[in-house]
Amino acid sequence: GEDVEQSLFLSVREGDSSVINCTYTDSSSTYLYWYKQEPGAGLQLLTYIFSNMDMKQDQRLTVLLNKKDKHLSLRIADTQTGDSAIYFCAERGKTGANNLFFGTGTRLTVIP
Amino acid sequence: KAGVTQTPRYLIKTRGQQVTLSCSPISGHRSVSWYQQTPGQGLQFLFEYFSETQRNKGNFPGRFSGRQFSNSRSEMNVSTLELGDSALYLCASSLSGAGADTQYFGPGTRLTVL
Repeated sequence: GEDVEQSLFLSVREGDSSVINCTYTDSSSTYLYWYKQEPGAGLQLLTYIFSNMDMKQDQRLTVLLNKKDKHLSLRIADTQTGDSAIYFCAERGKTGANNLFFGTGTRLTVIP
Repeated sequence: KAGVTQTPRYLIKTRGQQVTLSCSPISGHRSVSWYQQTPGQGLQFLFEYFSETQRNKGNFPGRFSGRQFSNSRSEMNVSTLELGDSALYLCASSLSGAGADTQYFGPGTRLTVL
């Protein structure tokens, strides 16, 4: 089955860039997603990338996809204290099924 | 447009009881998926409903069930609750679940089983 891995923790200083990494195993994944979860809240969709792309930029967010290595990253430019949260990458299920397989989540702490 | 809503937000039950959670999708969305989030297992897919039919199912025991109504609202039911069922249950909706369709999540229902 699908296996999505992320490092558990990341600390950065306010104003620096954050890079959150993710590896996945299902080479047939068509879409890969990044979600943000703040304490006591549900998941907020940040961005997604289609598997035939290698980069997508959306304001402070840059997603890089290396399909050969099955590696996905999320870069947050000019990280702010409000970016402190848990970030999940997710891949879509096989054959386009509408179920997501999530990584363990990376807890980003922004130090003022 | 209103987001995904889930009720209740918090629930406390005891072992052996059953519970029903409710999810109202974003207006116009016809696909509703349910996920369980626990510290130990992370986020796991339970099932997906589309047009009142279960379309996909995760690897959970039969005690977990769901349904969808004609207005796309969905409920999930857990019977004979166990301590390990304590979790945040998240509902997500999407237009149809196909192609680039993305899932939007509700705030979740936090279930505590004592």
